[in-house]
Amino acid sequence: SQQGEEDPQALSIQEGENATMNCSYKTSINNLQWYRQNSGRGLVHLILIRSNEREKHSGRLRVTLDTSKKSSSLLITASRAADTASYFCATDAGDYKLSFGAGTTVTVRA
Amino acid sequence: GAVVSQHPSRVICKSGTSVKIECRSLDFQATTMFWYRQFPKQSLMLMATSNEGSKATYEQGVEKDKFLINHASLTLSTLTVTSAHPEDSSFYICSARPGLRDDNEQFFGPGTRLTVL
Repeated sequence: SQQGEEDPQALSIQEGENATMNCSYKTSINNLQWYRQNSGRGLVHLILIRSNEREKHSGRLRVTLDTSKKSSSLLITASRAADTASYFCATDAGDYKLSFGAGTTVTVRA
Repeated sequence: GAVVSQHPSRVICKSGTSVKIECRSLDFQATTMFWYRQFPKQSLMLMATSNEGSKATYEQGVEKDKFLINHASLTLSTLTVTSAHPEDSSFYICSARPGLRDDNEQFFGPGTRLTVL
């Protein structure tokens, strides 16, 4: 079942600005992952953060995890038009099954 | 590396027919594959977990007789939508988990858009 809630549902920013989106979940997790999906396409894995980690970086991406609040955030810095996509968080409770959040649609205006 | 393909990418069929979707891991062996369904502007919902050589495990509410899953080899899983109806129209996405890795990175296929008329 779907356990992640994401906000905002949609985000529109100017190229060069930062984009932040949040994900909350309900049950204990082993790890949390962020994915990107371009319209009508498959998912691209962005980053995985384990339950014992608090922050992780990958290029222009920064992910935080607060297990006490059961929440995570994804920050995209210096956004580009190519970052326009839907972003999903997905939690893994340790059984390798991913439970996806509702997603945030990001539009980067040139 | 770690490429997953799906075939077909798009299929349109008449109500009552069966449709088979293939998911292949091209450059790795996948002991576990997962099948998801995504309705327009919604998130992915896990339908079933497919393990090579054993029966698939279906999520609650997913009819196993309607969505037949076969994981015949370490690189191929198939999903057959039997007696498809318009409400089965959706985007079906598979993912594959490399068997030798301890983490849970999954690699997703490009998806198959099914339209049932």
